[in-house]
Amino acid sequence: GQSLEQPSEVTAVEGAIVQINCTYQTSGFYGLSWYQQHDGGAPTFLSYNALDGLEETGRFSSFLSRSDSYGYLLLQELQMKDSASYFCAVGAAGNKLTFGGGTRVLVKP
Amino acid sequence: DGGITQSPKYLFRKEGQNVTLSCEQNLNHDAMYWYRQDPGQGLRLIYYSQIVNDFQKGDIAEGYSVSREKKESFPLTVTSAQKNPTAFYLCATITGTGGSGELFFGEGSRLTVL
Repeated sequence: GQSLEQPSEVTAVEGAIVQINCTYQTSGFYGLSWYQQHDGGAPTFLSYNALDGLEETGRFSSFLSRSDSYGYLLLQELQMKDSASYFCAVGAAGNKLTFGGGTRVLVKP
Repeated sequence: DGGITQSPKYLFRKEGQNVTLSCEQNLNHDAMYWYRQDPGQGLRLIYYSQIVNDFQKGDIAEGYSVSREKKESFPLTVTSAQKNPTAFYLCATITGTGGSGELFFGEGSRLTVL
C-alpha cells in the first residue's frame, strides 16, 4: 500500500518562506502532487512532479527526489491568503491516488 | 462550464439508513474518485474507477458501495454498515492516467448522521 508523512502544522509570518516536507512509501510510483485546501472548501491542485528536480509555479515550488522517496513544497513571499492546509499525494499504478494527512499553515501578520 | 457537480451539498441521515451521494462530471475524464475527509484530517480513498463498468476499492471501502454505469456518473452509497459515516465526502476526476495529472474536485457533500 501507500503511506505518506508530512508535518501537521507550520506557523510563519507574512513575507517568510515555508517548506513542507513529504516522505512516502509506495509501489509503482508515478508522481507526487500537491494540493491546497482552505477551510470549508475543496482541495485545489498546486503542482505535480514525476521526475527528480524542482518545478516552479509563481510563488510556489515543488521538489521531488525519487531515490529518497521525498518531496517538498516551498511557499515563498507568504501572504495571509496562504493560510490553508496543504496535502501531498502520491500517484501509483492503476490510477490510485493516496493523500497525506495534511499540513496546516498559519500565516501571521 | 465544465466541472464536477456533487449533490446534495448537505445531508442528514438517521442511523440505519442508506444514503446515495451523486457525482456528475462533464470534463470527459475517464478516472473518478471518492474520498472521505474527517475534521482536521487528510483525504482517505474510498473507491475509484478508471473506466465505465469497472471500479476498485480504496483504503476504506468497507460500508460503502459505488457504480460506474456511465462515464459521467459515479454515485457513492453510504450503507448502514458504515459505523461512523459523518464526514465530508469529495468526488474527483483526473486529467491524466497512471495516477498522474491534476485532480479536479467537486464542492463536496457533508453527511451528518443523527
